[in-house]
Amino acid sequence: GAGVSQSPSNKVTEKGKDVELRCDPISGHTALYWYRQSLGQGLEFLIYFQGNSAPDKSGLPSDRFSAERTGGSVSTLTIQRTQQEDSAVYLCASSPPASPQETQYFGPGTRLLVL
Amino acid sequence: GQSLEQPSEVTAVEGAIVQINCTYQTSGFYGLSWYQQHDGGAPTFLSYNALDGLEETGRFSSFLSRSDSYGYLLLQELQMKDSASYFCAVRGGTGRRALTFGSGTRLQVQP
Repeated sequence: GAGVSQSPSNKVTEKGKDVELRCDPISGHTALYWYRQSLGQGLEFLIYFQGNSAPDKSGLPSDRFSAERTGGSVSTLTIQRTQQEDSAVYLCASSPPASPQETQYFGPGTRLLVL
Repeated sequence: GQSLEQPSEVTAVEGAIVQINCTYQTSGFYGLSWYQQHDGGAPTFLSYNALDGLEETGRFSSFLSRSDSYGYLLLQELQMKDSASYFCAVRGGTGRRALTFGSGTRLQVQP
């Protein structure tokens, strides 16, 4: 079946511009996560959605970052007034309900470059 | 908070066995996961240990000791395609489902 998809795959923007990154999770997966990965580094948690519960936003690095999830499916991560330090790969993951193994299925990521 | 430590790089030859260690500090431990990531690719799930002991999945095994806050990933019969980064991860604390990842171990398999 279809995996997690993300768009765009690559995004180049100028400092100060806003960007929107999209994630389509696996159908039926109730949990959706956003992570950020800088070159050669581990993954940094940004935000987590679970069903209709309030999202866990504790990983968002600043108020320039926001995310929403519409209809319990597609999610959009928005970065306002981008800065060069925002350059990274933004990864989305989803997991099925009652996943005891904490298995998360990752999308291919969006590579963001802020000039 | 949560933190994980793993070696930054490991090199081994084809056919050999390699062990990648991970030590962690976390509140509300729920289990240790391992993910593989090839260059330019997405992380993919390898294994998960919630209880002490060894879990085996084909050529890969993962071990956990909760009393030592320690685990490892064991890769046997190494193949060139195993060259990748390997991340250990724990859930981000009590009530949080998101994972906290280590900084990754880059495995290079040589012929």
